Amino acid sequence: AQRVTQPEKLLSVFKGAPVELKCNYSYSGSPELFWYVQYSRQRLQLLLRHISRESIKGFTADLNKGETSFHLKKPFAQEEDSAMYYCALRDTGRRALTFGSGTRLQVQP
Amino acid sequence: DGGITQSPKYLFRKEGQNVTLSCEQNLNHDAMYWYRQDPGQGLRLIYYSQIVNDFQKGDIAEGYSVSREKKESFPLTVTSAQKNPTAFYLCASSTTMNTEAFFGQGTRLTVV
Repeated sequence: AQRVTQPEKLLSVFKGAPVELKCNYSYSGSPELFWYVQYSRQRLQLLLRHISRESIKGFTADLNKGETSFHLKKPFAQEEDSAMYYCALRDTGRRALTFGSGTRLQVQP
Repeated sequence: DGGITQSPKYLFRKEGQNVTLSCEQNLNHDAMYWYRQDPGQGLRLIYYSQIVNDFQKGDIAEGYSVSREKKESFPLTVTSAQKNPTAFYLCASSTTMNTEAFFGQGTRLTVV
């Protein structure tokens, strides 16, 4: 069965510092991986997906199949990045998302 | 205003009672999902439906039931068999290509 692991419940950094939110997965097939974000009092929303290989709000994530990882990175954190971040995997079978437990990012001024 | 709407936002029920949570979308999405969110556990899949009149159990379906009679609607019933029903419930929808899941605002259910 697929599994997504986010080892950090809370990550606290200062504004301007680099950020790396870790995500590891286990899946026997070829995974589709996503990062979702939930800002305070807002809905859970898609941040980025590995297929697109895009940068959103300065965040990037690279799929490393050898390490089965999909870490989220940003070189310079901003206070508005403070939110709950979820890594998610979609399997080709049931097409539903499996989420990690989430990491709360706090960016301090 | 397109989107996915969950109602009510807060729901209180007595132990032993069944309760139904509403989820409606006007995005013309074929697929709909129900997740349960508990602190420290992320989102766990309860049920999902890829098409009208069809649905499948997710990872924690015991004590829950759903129906999908209309494309726009995917109500979730929390039955008295659910041992720990107090939680935050999120509904989502996506296209059949499943490119992005859109989430509702959630319903917080408290059973007393």
